[in-house]
Amino acid sequence: NAGVTQTPKFQVLKTGQSMTLQCAQDMNHEYMSWYRQDPGMGLRLIHYSVGAGITDQGEVPNGYNVSRSTTEDFPLRLLSAAPSQTSVYFCASTRLGSYEQYFGPGTRLTVT
Amino acid sequence: KQEVTQIPAALSVPEGENLVLNCSFTDSAIYNLQWFRQDPGKGLTSLLLIQSSQREQTSGRLNASLDKSSGRSTLYIAASQPGDSATYLCAVWTGTASKLTFGTGTRLQVTL
Repeated sequence: NAGVTQTPKFQVLKTGQSMTLQCAQDMNHEYMSWYRQDPGMGLRLIHYSVGAGITDQGEVPNGYNVSRSTTEDFPLRLLSAAPSQTSVYFCASTRLGSYEQYFGPGTRLTVT
Repeated sequence: KQEVTQIPAALSVPEGENLVLNCSFTDSAIYNLQWFRQDPGKGLTSLLLIQSSQREQTSGRLNASLDKSSGRSTLYIAASQPGDSATYLCAVWTGTASKLTFGTGTRLQVTL
């Protein structure tokens, strides 16, 4: 099993550009989520999904969009990048009922 | 709203010492508590998961305890080694919110 994979590992964007961060898992987990990690603020939940076709907002959803068309994939879209979105982004998955979280390696995003 | 606090924020100990990291949470309606390790610039590695019905979990030199009623968990590291140097994060899964809430972490340095 590859576990949770994320691409790209690093990305630099200019203000106003859009992009999609990819996340995939091969553990057949129902629940997937996106976090951002900023110094001094810990990890904060952006969006989450409890299954294909179902998504919901977390603490800091503004400026981000998600969809879940398959169990395996949960992409995060930045609609119009802003410097405040410079951060490290982590994707995670878990099986409902277990709630043990598995994290991907992260994407380091810089917006200039 | 669930809030998770970790004390101390940073800790430096000489090699060989036993140490305790603390985690407290405000809402005791949790499903589980998970301890993670994060090395600089890396992702999160799960160390221990304690279900809400459990009091402790052990893995090698690590022992985590949970007192749900008082909203506290401790991570005990025995015979610390320089390789234990990392940031340790605790996170709770709160059932009513269906999400994981993280503390801001304890940065541990074990010196020779």
